[in-house]
Amino acid sequence: GAVVSQHPSRVICKSGTSVKIECRSLDFQATTMFWYRQFPKQSLMLMATSNEGSKATYEQGVEKDKFLINHASLTLSTLTVTSAHPEDSSFYICSAAQDTQYFGPGTRLTVL
Amino acid sequence: GQSLEQPSEVTAVEGAIVQINCTYQTSGFYGLSWYQQHDGGAPTFLSYNGLDGLEETGRFSSFLSRSDSYGYLLLQELQMKDSASYFCAVRNSSYKLIFGSGTRLLVRP
Repeated sequence: GAVVSQHPSRVICKSGTSVKIECRSLDFQATTMFWYRQFPKQSLMLMATSNEGSKATYEQGVEKDKFLINHASLTLSTLTVTSAHPEDSSFYICSAAQDTQYFGPGTRLTVL
Repeated sequence: GQSLEQPSEVTAVEGAIVQINCTYQTSGFYGLSWYQQHDGGAPTFLSYNGLDGLEETGRFSSFLSRSDSYGYLLLQELQMKDSASYFCAVRNSSYKLIFGSGTRLLVRP
């Protein structure tokens, strides 16, 4: 099956710093990737749709200047959380679309 | 608006059969997907229904009725490892998924 990786799996940072999360499709090319955020015991909330070679499409309520998305190649999308604050602490999950969406293992971000 | 409804929690015993229902109201509908997520892990794809009817994959089956905006996931021969959260998700165009709130399944011995 399709494999999607994420790096890092876990990150702890100080408030005010920026954190970059990478999402890679390992065995297929993905024109479209998605970024989700999940708080404890809650559902996945779609943050944005990342399209290779074009600007990301953000969901309502998601600050595009805070969550920078770059999809520079067909196998890599990055999410940068800029000026992170404790309320940004969450589980961030990416997915890549082929016949369906295949999810990465997630990145747990803790902002102190 | 868009909404998906599924029960918040279900408890069943090992070896039993459990059905998790999902009703949806969305703009744009291509199909209904089901994902499993263990605590601390990422969602794992289980099943997809693009057409009405039943899809069977081993112990798991999924059903869709587009006219009723309804689907369900059926888990048979429950095992302890099936304890997890299960999400239904509507696929609209461009592979975009809208997730339900999730059903936490607890399998007891």
